[in-house]
Amino acid sequence: QVQLVESGGGVVQPGRSLRLSCVGSGFTFSNYGMHWVRQAPGKGLEWVAVMSYDGSKKFHTDSVKGRFTISRDNSRNTLYMQMNSLRPEDTAVYYCAKVGGSSGWQIDYWGQGTLVTVSS
Amino acid sequence: QSALTQPRSVSGSPGQSVTISCTGNSSDVGGYNYVSWYQQHPGKAPKLLIYDVINRPSGVPGRFSGSKSGNTASLTISGLQAEDEADYYCYSYAGSYTSVFGGGTKLTVL
Repeated sequence: QVQLVESGGGVVQPGRSLRLSCVGSGFTFSNYGMHWVRQAPGKGLEWVAVMSYDGSKKFHTDSVKGRFTISRDNSRNTLYMQMNSLRPEDTAVYYCAKVGGSSGWQIDYWGQGTLVTVSS
Repeated sequence: QSALTQPRSVSGSPGQSVTISCTGNSSDVGGYNYVSWYQQHPGKAPKLLIYDVINRPSGVPGRFSGSKSGNTASLTISGLQAEDEADYYCYSYAGSYTSVFGGGTKLTVL
């Protein structure tokens, strides 16, 4: 069965950096696009970034452009999110999510999430 | 990339039907048939209920159905059950490889 396991979250001071990882199993990781989606405490889902199956295409939401970078290593079945210049408003549970077989980058599976807290 | 508009809350009694709307514009919901719906219970990851506006993945009960008219998509839950009490989110492709979610709707089963 499809499994997505995120790691790398924690408490970090404003302005510092953090790298999240997501390991996929139960499917051919290199065949599917992958997203990062975040959810601030008590709030809704917010799309953050997406990367194509081969890493050739990547796109970020405006609020993280220039600070966050999505990447992947298909040899390790791993998706990454490098987060720099972190702000308190980046505090959230970060989910990695798999693109399904249909079009429009729609998500079919989600990880359990990793909590990032940005606070001094 | 503004969030899609969903009602903050809806409610219904067991056995009844409820419909949750998701309103966007011609650049997202109205422009593509790439609308999905997700169910999220407290402290859990979201789960896919509907994709491509109307399609259900295997394992999702037929009580869940989706539709779209113009810039508004809808999720209908028939025969409400206690375990349907959760938050529901719509998703739409928004062009240029970007995506957008709705603000979420809390469903209360009375």
